Amino acid sequence: RKEVEQDPGPFNVPEGATVAFNCTYSNSASQSFFWYRQDCRKEPKLLMSVYSSGNEDGRFTAQLNRASQYISLLIRDSKLSDSATYLCVVNVRGAQKLVFGQGTRLTINP
Amino acid sequence: GAVVSQHPSRVICKSGTSVKIECRSLDFQATTMFWYRQFPKKSLMLMATSNEGSKATYEQGVEKDKFLINHASLTLSTLTVTSAHPEDSSFYICSARADEDLSRRGYTFGSGTRLTVV
Repeated sequence: RKEVEQDPGPFNVPEGATVAFNCTYSNSASQSFFWYRQDCRKEPKLLMSVYSSGNEDGRFTAQLNRASQYISLLIRDSKLSDSATYLCVVNVRGAQKLVFGQGTRLTINP
Repeated sequence: GAVVSQHPSRVICKSGTSVKIECRSLDFQATTMFWYRQFPKKSLMLMATSNEGSKATYEQGVEKDKFLINHASLTLSTLTVTSAHPEDSSFYICSARADEDLSRRGYTFGSGTRLTVV
């Protein structure tokens, strides 16, 4: 079983739609959670950290369910510029490295 | 703040030659840097963790004699792909931890190096 699993997509949605991504992680010692965004042929960039209480940044909302070891990302009122690959990323307590999911590819259509 | 500079951004080399990729933290000190490889439409795979002043820690399956890592200062780590072959063609990305509070800053990535071995 992969340490971090995501639905690879691709997701094709119309502009203005709401889209949700899910991610599960297998290591219960995971302590930090992130969503990164990666554009084609570019490096990943931090979109937002994910907290147990849930957090929101503009049109983006992230949720963490530690009991189910599940992370989600919700994008509201999607824009063309949201087209990218979204990476679910986890850091395990006591380890320095990040573990990446395979990414979910999103295309917003006009 | 928290900028990581990676050079070169793109390199084409002949099979059998070696290529050096540099990763610099511009406005912070990084005792630890990470090197990843990414194949097309795949996720990032950690190759090794680079520790300043000590040997790198390689992930399982990564040949340490082929991918030489040197982290001689708190702001510079280098990855040298030795005797490159076409199957080494990939996107190589470095990252550094900019802040001890991971929940706040996460990790910062270099812009990546696209290596093509012909």
